[in-house]
Amino acid sequence: DSGVTQTPKHLITATGQRVTLRCSPRSGDLSVYWYQQSLDQGLQFLIQYYNGEERAKGNILERFSAQQFPDLHSELNLSSLELGDSALYFCASSEQGRETQYFGPGTRLLVL
Amino acid sequence: GESVGLHLPTLSVQEGDNSIINCAYSNSASDYFIWYKQESGKGPQFIIDIRSNMDKRQGQRVTVLLNKTVKHLSLQIAATQPGDSAVYFCAENINSGNTPLVFGKGTRLSVIA
Repeated sequence: DSGVTQTPKHLITATGQRVTLRCSPRSGDLSVYWYQQSLDQGLQFLIQYYNGEERAKGNILERFSAQQFPDLHSELNLSSLELGDSALYFCASSEQGRETQYFGPGTRLLVL
Repeated sequence: GESVGLHLPTLSVQEGDNSIINCAYSNSASDYFIWYKQESGKGPQFIIDIRSNMDKRQGQRVTVLLNKTVKHLSLQIAATQPGDSAVYFCAENINSGNTPLVFGKGTRLSVIA
């Protein structure tokens, strides 16, 4: 158990809908990262937050957004969903000044 | 595009043998490298990491080797066990500190009992 939690574990929805994925980092970790993993692919970085502020942006679609709250949990919002958005979405966290990222169990999103 | 890649997409080894998983990276400025293990249906699990000022680092049954001359990283697993069956990813950190990792596509390790 990495200490990073994600909810929900599974999500099934329809095209055009909007969903919110939630992540709680390890206790004390200020950085939260979101990654997308499509079938048999590596992890693609989406976005990073550090202590409530956006720190870095990767290949994140404009239909996607995220935020980090004062209690450091983070939410990833996916809107106008398309079939191709079906994937595993992982959240990771790291300590201040440390590169090692610890991953949550992921949310499996299926868009029908 | 990605700057980290893997030589072999799949690797099958006999139980008890040693496994070697390779990874190439293209960014010579990368100063931190990490290996993750991902079992089916689970999130990536930290295995071992190494900084660019080191050539070798050992953990429990695992060793990471870094060859900066040819920009190559490898993960060695000693006495491979069925529980080692998983997909292994290497990743690099191009900038120091809390910055995103760049992942390779992964190698699937299958252990034959």
